[in-house]
Amino acid sequence: SAVISQKPSRDICQRGTSLTIQCQVDSQVTMMFWYRQQPGQSLTLIATANQGSEATYESGFVIDKFPISRPNLTFSTLTVSNMSPEDSSIYLCSVRQGVSYGYTFGSGTRLTVV
Amino acid sequence: GNSVTQMEGPVTLSEEAFLTINCTYTATGYPSLFWYVQYPGEGLQLLLKATKADDKGSNKGFEATYRKETTSFHLEKGSVQVSDSAVYFCALLEGTPLVFGKGTRLSVIA
Repeated sequence: SAVISQKPSRDICQRGTSLTIQCQVDSQVTMMFWYRQQPGQSLTLIATANQGSEATYESGFVIDKFPISRPNLTFSTLTVSNMSPEDSSIYLCSVRQGVSYGYTFGSGTRLTVV
Repeated sequence: GNSVTQMEGPVTLSEEAFLTINCTYTATGYPSLFWYVQYPGEGLQLLLKATKADDKGSNKGFEATYRKETTSFHLEKGSVQVSDSAVYFCALLEGTPLVFGKGTRLSVIA
């Protein structure tokens, strides 16, 4: 299965600032996904990032707050903009491999906003 | 829409006890089903999967059988270890995206 490198692994940020999270995959993949896991909660899909087109955002998530780049088939970034303490979460990138396979996840970025 | 319902946690067991974590799903067609595990401070790892009815997924002593008639995919292990302490997520895939249950925290005490 694909190996995903995600960084930073954790960060503590001041409110009002922005953080960019990077996700690197060791093979080419069509679709990359960004999830958020709020403390003690399950995973919620933020958006789907396709190479060469704008990301597709889920209900409740907007591009101004979570801009995504997908410059090629192995890399994506998620930016959390104008952060507030409510953005404190684990952010995970993920790729899907094949019709019947689940998703492979990066190790996550643990973000704390103070 | 598609959804996954897991039993509420936390679940606390003694070492070598039998584990069951219930998972039921709602889907319009024939989804693939998964169990993911999240160890403390780590990301998600795929534990096991089943892609069609009556399939049994297994890994590391854990098993789950895809039951279409009861729309269930319960996770079981005959003898848990302290190292199994983690959060377990049941998930469904029918098209995209992957849909998760709320997770069940398991604590195993020696």
